[in-house]
Amino acid sequence: KAGVTQTPRYLIKTRGQQVTLSCSPISGHRSVSWYQQTPGQGLQFLFEYFSETQRNKGNFPGRFSGRQFSNSRSEMNVSTLELGDSALYLCASRGAEYNEQFFGPGTRLTVL
Amino acid sequence: DQQVKQNSPSLSVQEGRISILNCDYTNSMFDYFLWYKKYPAEGPTFLISISSIKDKNEDGRFTVFLNKSAKHLSLHIVPSQPGDSAVYFCAASAPGGTYKYIFGTGTRLKVLA
Repeated sequence: KAGVTQTPRYLIKTRGQQVTLSCSPISGHRSVSWYQQTPGQGLQFLFEYFSETQRNKGNFPGRFSGRQFSNSRSEMNVSTLELGDSALYLCASRGAEYNEQFFGPGTRLTVL
Repeated sequence: DQQVKQNSPSLSVQEGRISILNCDYTNSMFDYFLWYKKYPAEGPTFLISISSIKDKNEDGRFTVFLNKSAKHLSLHIVPSQPGDSAVYFCAASAPGGTYKYIFGTGTRLKVLA
């Protein structure tokens, strides 16, 4: 069974631009969560989608948004990028019968 | 407000000895706890979990202990191997099917050969 995939793996943007990150969950998983990882801050929860609906949201500004498609693939969008948005963005999927989340390799975003 | 805390940013242990990673939490509503291991340039990998109705869970070399009264959990790795060198994150979730996991800031474990 293929794992969680994320594209692109690396991205460089400048302040003010917007970016879209993509995540394909493990086949059959309907829950997709997004996290931001920065040095010293651990993994900060962004949001969770389940069956195309946002089920949970963390404490991030409205510049951070997401969506989920009918095939469970998810995208995350960050508008008006700031230097502080530079981070590793991780996507995780979860099956209905598990509490455990399975993570993708992440997208390393650098904002210049 | 950091609801899940890993107060030791790093830990060094000799190969073959026990590694003990600690995690404290503040929210008594948390009912499920997980440990993840992360290598550089990779996503976190699930290691082991424990429900709040238990106080211990074992899986091979990994054992997680939960002390609900102290709001503390720990991960024991015995024996430690050089391949265990990674960053370890603990995470917690609250009931209700929300699956909003709160992660600690991580502890970097270095196992010395």
